Amino acid sequence: DTGVSQNPRHKITKRGQNVTFRCDPISEHNRLYWYRQTLGQGPEFLTYFQNEAQLEKSRLLSDRFSAERPKGSFSTLEIQRTEQGDSAMYLCASSLYGSISFNYGYTFGSGTRLTVV
Amino acid sequence: AQSVAQPEDQVNVAEGNPLTVKCTYSVSGNPYLFWYVQYPNRGLQFLLKYITGDNLVKGSYGFEAEFNKSQTSFHLKKPSALVSDSALYFCAVRDMRYGGSQGNLIFGKGTKLSVKP
Repeated sequence: DTGVSQNPRHKITKRGQNVTFRCDPISEHNRLYWYRQTLGQGPEFLTYFQNEAQLEKSRLLSDRFSAERPKGSFSTLEIQRTEQGDSAMYLCASSLYGSISFNYGYTFGSGTRLTVV
Repeated sequence: AQSVAQPEDQVNVAEGNPLTVKCTYSVSGNPYLFWYVQYPNRGLQFLLKYITGDNLVKGSYGFEAEFNKSQTSFHLKKPSALVSDSALYFCAVRDMRYGGSQGNLIFGKGTKLSVKP
């Protein structure tokens, strides 16, 4: 178990381009969460999955954002037509819902830092 | 509305002195409270949690936190600070809209801890 893995670590893109990030959770974890963290702020919840089902999306997740977890394992977060305001750290976390450890918080990945120029 | 407040943007402490990082929260029902630490360009690392039980909880790296229900606070403490404790600290509370079953967290803005030799 190597923890939660996110790729790429850094992404620089031009405004208007599409980007996709990947998150590989801890293998037995059925819950996967995406957060966004802008400079000087705490992480803000974007969406979460239980297995392959996307159960909630926050109002922060505009129509340009889409997330998938097709086989209940890894997840991707795509941003279409990027804007400068999308520049942030995108964090992924996983947990095992239905276990005692669910109440103990998540395991976070190291994040993908997106810079839109 | 549910929220977490960290009233100090920065806390400065001399090495060897005790430190306190403050956190207050607003949530319906009994809170699930967490502290995370973030080092530069890294994800969040779990420090400690309060779910139920003793108001003083102990966590990683010698940190502890005191839950105070009447003051709706969950301050992070350490008896003797180390230079290596310098980092960004986040307080979080579980979103309790659906009894907490979603598992997503509401974070404060973070407090930068600077420990000088």
